Amino acid sequence: DGGITQSPKYLFRKEGQNVTLSCEQNLNHDAMYWYRQDPGQGLRLIYYSQIVNDFQKGDIAEGYSVSREKKESFPLTVTSAQKNPTAFYLCASIRGQGAREAFFGQGTRLTVV
Amino acid sequence: KQEVTQIPAALSVPEGENLVLNCSFTDSAIYNLQWFRQDPGKGLTSLLLIQSSQREQTSGRLNASLDKSSGRSTLYIAASQPGDSATYLCAVRPNTGNQFYFGTGTSLTVIP
Repeated sequence: DGGITQSPKYLFRKEGQNVTLSCEQNLNHDAMYWYRQDPGQGLRLIYYSQIVNDFQKGDIAEGYSVSREKKESFPLTVTSAQKNPTAFYLCASIRGQGAREAFFGQGTRLTVV
Repeated sequence: KQEVTQIPAALSVPEGENLVLNCSFTDSAIYNLQWFRQDPGKGLTSLLLIQSSQREQTSGRLNASLDKSSGRSTLYIAASQPGDSATYLCAVRPNTGNQFYFGTGTSLTVIP
């Protein structure tokens, strides 16, 4: 089945640690996105990538980093510089042409302990 | 910057009722508008996608309309069921740029 896979589903991080969230898609989509979701605030864009080896900051990129070495993969690293990383993280992909419908993964719940 | 608003924030209806969810946006220069469903602790599931040239889209009991000039979209759910209980979000993709902008969602509860 085609789709977007995020892993792990739950992740716990100690203070001062970096953690990496995985996002893989087999839809052959060009663009991939990372969003953060907090209660009452909706989805906020962290980073996005339109093509391999290129990515742009979103509205809340501070404390996060990404890479796009392969079309299928867009991992997100939450660094120790992110002051309040506890949130629900969602990855999305969009085909580069045509209707440009967005598809989302099932999310990763990150908790700082 | 595009601002997207969804009203009401929460809605509770008895089973079988028809209902309308609203989405408004500030900039009418959009490429498309997409409605999503989100169950608690889950990702977003795409329900309907309306291109800027379209007025409405239908899928089963769902009908989404788009009025670009007034900056509004509605999601109509016919004959609501308890399984429709979820949060519904709309997202707008502008004509320019690569982002899309989300509303904060409407939390729907359908009471058996």
